[in-house]
Amino acid sequence: DGGITQSPKYLFRKEGQNVTLSCEQNLNHDAMYWYRQDPGQGLRLIYYSQIVNDFQKGDIAEGYSVSREKKESFPLTVTSAQKNPTAFYLCASSVGATNTEAFFGQGTRLTVV
Amino acid sequence: AQKVTQAQTEISVVEKEDVTLDCVYETRDTTYYLFWYKQPPSGELVFLIRRNSFDEQNEISGRYSWNFQKSTSSFNFTITASQVVDSAVYFCALRPFDDYKLSFGAGTTVTVRA
Repeated sequence: DGGITQSPKYLFRKEGQNVTLSCEQNLNHDAMYWYRQDPGQGLRLIYYSQIVNDFQKGDIAEGYSVSREKKESFPLTVTSAQKNPTAFYLCASSVGATNTEAFFGQGTRLTVV
Repeated sequence: AQKVTQAQTEISVVEKEDVTLDCVYETRDTTYYLFWYKQPPSGELVFLIRRNSFDEQNEISGRYSWNFQKSTSSFNFTITASQVVDSAVYFCALRPFDDYKLSFGAGTTVTVRA
C-alpha cells in the first residue's frame, strides 16, 4: 500500500543521547516535512525538503538535523542539543508541485528520560 | 513570514449542534494555499480541504463547509449537525504558492458529547 511510514511508534531514550526517527514514503513525492507537536502549540515545522539532497530549516530547527539522500527517505535526528526533545513527531510528504496537500505518517512519540 | 492563528483552543458541543472553527492567517505572499486537517485520537492528520487564495468561493462537502474571506484573512470551518465521530483536533494551515513551507495553527480541540 502507498503511504508514509514512521518508525518506531514509541521511542524512549536517555537524556544526552542522539536519536534518529525514520520516515519513509512510497508515494513518489518530492517534498517531505518534519513537525513537532506539543500540547497547545499545534504543529511546528522543524525541517522540510523540496528535493533530494536539499532541505531548509523550519521554525524550530535548533537541536535537530536531517538528511535527504534518497527521495523516499527523510530521517530526523534529535541531538543532545535539543533542550526539550520529548514530543510527538510527525512526518509528511507532498507531491511538491503547487496545489497539492501534504500526507502524514502516524507519528513517533519520543520520550526522553 | 507567515502565521496561522486559531484562537479557539477547545470547543465542546452536544451532538447535532453546529460548530464553527475560526482560522486567521498572515502572509506577505499574494498567492497561497489554505488547508484544513483533522487529527483524530489515533494521531495521523487527515486532509479535509485545500483552497487557493485566488478562489474565494465557499465550499460545502456534506456536513462540512468552509468560508474563505480574503479581505479579513480568514478561512473558517463549520461542522453542521455535529456527531460524536467529529471529535478531534482540527488544524488550519497555510502554504505560499511558490514555496513548500507549510505552516500550521495551534489547533482547536472539538469535543462532541452524545
